[in-house]
Amino acid sequence: QKEVEQDPGPLSVPEGAIVSLNCTYSNSAFQYFMWYRQYSRKGPELLMYTYSSGNKEDGRFTAQVDKSSKYISLFIRDSQPSDSATYLCAMRKTGANNLFFGTGTRLTVIP
Amino acid sequence: EAGVTQSPTHLIKTRGQQVTLRCSPISGHTSVYWYQQALGLGLQFLLWYDEGEERNRGNFPPRFSGRQFPNYSSELNVNALELEDSALYLCASSASGHQETQYFGPGTRLLVL
Repeated sequence: QKEVEQDPGPLSVPEGAIVSLNCTYSNSAFQYFMWYRQYSRKGPELLMYTYSSGNKEDGRFTAQVDKSSKYISLFIRDSQPSDSATYLCAMRKTGANNLFFGTGTRLTVIP
Repeated sequence: EAGVTQSPTHLIKTRGQQVTLRCSPISGHTSVYWYQQALGLGLQFLLWYDEGEERNRGNFPPRFSGRQFPNYSSELNVNALELEDSALYLCASSASGHQETQYFGPGTRLLVL
């Protein structure tokens, strides 16, 4: 079993929709949670970073961590065609240094 | 502020050859990470360098190696290339002690024939 699981999609939504992207994990040692956006043929771009449980909002993006369920989410409000990309969740364990990534969810926002 | 840069952007090699990939971190960042992103497999951690030392490596064979220079730039070397080494190789950098906020370069796409 992979330590981080992410539904690969693809996910297609109309412009303006609310998008929900999710990851689950199996190891309770994960304490740092990140979301990256990767456009085609580009490197991942850090979108959001949260520590432990709770919510964090940045513009149209909200990251949510539920450690009791080992479940993290990224919500995108008022989705735009420019949001079309692959979204990767990543996690780090306390005391460790490398990140564990999900396989990514491919999102298309249709104008 | 310039981001992480990598060279070359694309590379084609044949089985058994050797390849060197290069990475320059964001100014002020001392940590450099290397990842392999193979099709359908997601990002896999390869190596972490900080202050010129290898601090950790992922579950890859010894033919994957690298180094970090005094200016914090880094090289990734892959010897005895195999077909399954075909992937996007990504370099990321972070400030020392801030491994959770890694900033990625555009990657080097390697094709092994």
